[in-house]
Amino acid sequence: SQTIHQWPATLVQPVGSPLSLECTVEGTSNPNLYWYRQAAGRGLQLLFYSVGIGQISSEVPQNLSASRPQDRQFILSSKKLLLSDSGFYLCAWRAGGLNTQYFGPGTRLTVL
Amino acid sequence: EDKVVQSPLSLVVHEGDTVTLNCSYEVTNFRSLLWYKQEKKAPTFLFMLTSSGIEKKSGRLSSILDKKELSSILNITATQTGDSAIYLCAVSLDHSGSARQLTFGSGTQLTVLP
Repeated sequence: SQTIHQWPATLVQPVGSPLSLECTVEGTSNPNLYWYRQAAGRGLQLLFYSVGIGQISSEVPQNLSASRPQDRQFILSSKKLLLSDSGFYLCAWRAGGLNTQYFGPGTRLTVL
Repeated sequence: EDKVVQSPLSLVVHEGDTVTLNCSYEVTNFRSLLWYKQEKKAPTFLFMLTSSGIEKKSGRLSSILDKKELSSILNITATQTGDSAIYLCAVSLDHSGSARQLTFGSGTQLTVLP
């Protein structure tokens, strides 16, 4: 069966510091991968998605970036965090041909 | 701009009550509508609805899509404290070459009191 992992689970970082969040998927090949941010426990905002290795699409302009160095690995990064980057970051995967996305456990980021 | 709106934003009920959560959408190239339940962490998938008028059911939860009214409802009967969560509605769009992104509503926070 498929599983999705995210780490770290929680992170507290100072403003201006770098960020690297990792997401990996097991039990599937060629998944579509997604990064979302959820502020204040409400709706999810799509940040990036990827249909394959090295292919990244950005949905909103921001100081974050994403990379997909391997088929089942998706990384969210920043060179310098802002206070507004605080939130709950969720990674999701979708098998090709299907509509349902499945979410990882998330990373709660607090920028101080 | 694609839009998904959920109502109410929050709801407080007592155990045993029945609740109805609403989701309406204004999108281009609708493909399907999905409901998720989010407790502490990751949203968990509940239902996917593609065809209008066909009810999906799982235990005390059920959902139906009305394509004419561009809306869906999620019903929970005989609510329990374990039903307390944020319920998220999302719409999958059918754009050629896209990764079938989901557009989410802002969610309904349901609190079930004992």
